[in-house]
Amino acid sequence: DTEVTQTPKHLVMGMTNKKSLKCEQHMGHRAMYWYKQKAKKPPELMFVYSYEKLSINESVPSRFSPECPNSSLLNLHLHALQPEDSALYLCASSQVPPGLAKNIQYFGAGTRLSVL
Amino acid sequence: DAKTTQPPSMDCAEGRAANLPCNHSTISGNEYVYWYRQIHSQGPQYIIHGLKNNETNEMASLIITEDRKSSTLILPHATLRDTAVYYCIVRVAVTGKLIFGQGTTLQVKP
Repeated sequence: DTEVTQTPKHLVMGMTNKKSLKCEQHMGHRAMYWYKQKAKKPPELMFVYSYEKLSINESVPSRFSPECPNSSLLNLHLHALQPEDSALYLCASSQVPPGLAKNIQYFGAGTRLSVL
Repeated sequence: DAKTTQPPSMDCAEGRAANLPCNHSTISGNEYVYWYRQIHSQGPQYIIHGLKNNETNEMASLIITEDRKSSTLILPHATLRDTAVYYCIVRVAVTGKLIFGQGTTLQVKP
């Protein structure tokens, strides 16, 4: 089983709203990732958690706030977003941290976010 | 970070082999080549990865040139379900980050 589950599948929010995206995996993976994908563009890395600690932040604006409450769960808290933040947000997990040779990332189907 | 260059699109007849090329001329000796694909409206799916030697799994084969400056992903018998965007990625050595390029859109036709 290589399933990464993301909820919700779709989200519409206003610029003053606060919302959260959720990602879950039960494969015992120790690294989890957030990516952002704009339409017709490749995914771009946002954050990496390794052993529940934030290890990479790709200079993401503070209106995006990641959280890793436990090894199976990853959240992305959203606040005061802009319309240009509308995108597909992808979560991934890997059994080993990203720097190791056998790192393979398994992706969820994503949350399609629209900011009005 | 090593960049990859792929043709933006390719066609392949169903049942034939699909050969997807990738150039990565600035790759370092300890950087791996990864291939992922993304079928419309889904998350990327891992296909295969390698360092120096050719690799094969149940999905595909990866051929890496001896100088490691290019590689080819081979889908031996393409089906309509293989229609997707295929990304060739050089994984950053120190951080392990995957930096996706623009990818190749493969269209498998009946």
